[in-house]
Formats: sequence, structure tokens, C-alpha cells
Amino acid sequence: DGGITQSPKYLFRKEGQNVTLSCEQNLNHDAMYWYRQDPGQGLRLIYYSQIVNDFQKGDIAEGYSVSREKKESFPLTVTSAQKNPTAFYLCASRSTQGLRNQPQHFGDGTRLSIL
Amino acid sequence: QKEVEQNSGPLSVPEGAIASLNCTYSDRGSQSFFWYRQYSGKSPELIMFIYSNGDKEDGRFTAQLNKASQYVSLLIRDSQPSDSATYLCAVTVNTGNQFYFGTGTSLTVIP
Repeated sequence: DGGITQSPKYLFRKEGQNVTLSCEQNLNHDAMYWYRQDPGQGLRLIYYSQIVNDFQKGDIAEGYSVSREKKESFPLTVTSAQKNPTAFYLCASRSTQGLRNQPQHFGDGTRLSIL
Repeated sequence: QKEVEQNSGPLSVPEGAIASLNCTYSDRGSQSFFWYRQYSGKSPELIMFIYSNGDKEDGRFTAQLNKASQYVSLLIRDSQPSDSATYLCAVTVNTGNQFYFGTGTSLTVIP
């Protein structure tokens, strides 16, 4: 089945620790995105990538890092510099083909908490 | 700053009624408009998208776009308890590289 797979579903971070959230898609989408959602809040963009080996900061990139070495994969690292990492993290992807802006599709998300 | 505004609700409607959800946006260059449904604790799922002025219907859902007034709405006919969720509006401008999301409207359908 085609889709977007995020892992793990739940993740706990200790003080001073970096953690990496995985996002893999087999939809052949060029563009991939990472969002953070806090309880009762909307989606805030962390990073996005339109093509392999290229990515741009979103509105809240501080304390996060990404890589895009393969079209299918866009992992997000939450570094120790991110002092309030507890949130629901959502990965999305979309096709950039065609004349119209194609919709984003989301993975199931990763819940990150501080130990 | 590109803003997308939604009434946070909660919006309550009886089962079988029409639920009307509204979204306004600030950038006149906005080109594409999307509605997502998000159940509590789950990720957003795409319901509808609309690109041109007017109405677009898909089953019980109708998206309405008015670019002159800068609003897009979602109508849900014959509302069901399973429609109870938060509905997110999203817009894109130009190349569509970034999506701008509203904070969502919480809908409760009362049996």
C-alpha cells in the first residue's frame, strides 16, 4: 500500500539527548514537510524539502535539524537545544507534478514527550 | 504573514443537520484551498480541495470558494456523529511550496 510511515509512534527524550523521528513515503512525492502540533493548536511548519539534498526552514526550525538524502526519506532530529519538545509531530508529503497545487498527505504522527 | 482564520468553535449541530464551517484568508494571491478532518489524537486527513470560485461537491461534502471575499467554506450535509472532529482549512500561494493552516474548528454532531 502506498503511504507515509512515521516511526516510532511514541518517543521519550531525556534531558540533553538528541532524538530522530523517521518519515518514509512510497508515493513518489517530491515534497516533504515536518509540522509540530501542540494541544489545541494548529500546525506549525518546522522544515520542508522540495527535492533531494535541499530543504528550507519553516517558522519554528530552531532546535531541529533534517536531512533529505533520498527521495523517500525525510528524518527529523530534535536536538537538545529544543527546550520544549513535547508535541505531536506530523510528516507530510505531496506531489509537485501538474498545473495545480497538489494536496499534502500526512503520516500517522509521532508523539514526543520529555522524561 | 499569511493568515488563515477559522472560528475555533465548538460548533454543535444535531444529527442530520447541515454543518457549515468557514475559513478566511489574508493573501489575495492564494490559489489552492484544502479542507482536512482531524479526529482527536489522529493525524489530519484530506477531505476536499478546491481551486476555482464556486462550489465543489463530493458526497455529503461541499466546498465553496469566494476569492473576491477571501473565504472558503465547507458544508457537511446530513451530519453524522462520526463527523465529530476538528476541521482544518489550508491555503497555498504561488508555487504551493508552503501550506498555511488555520487553527481548526471543532465540530460536534449530537445524536
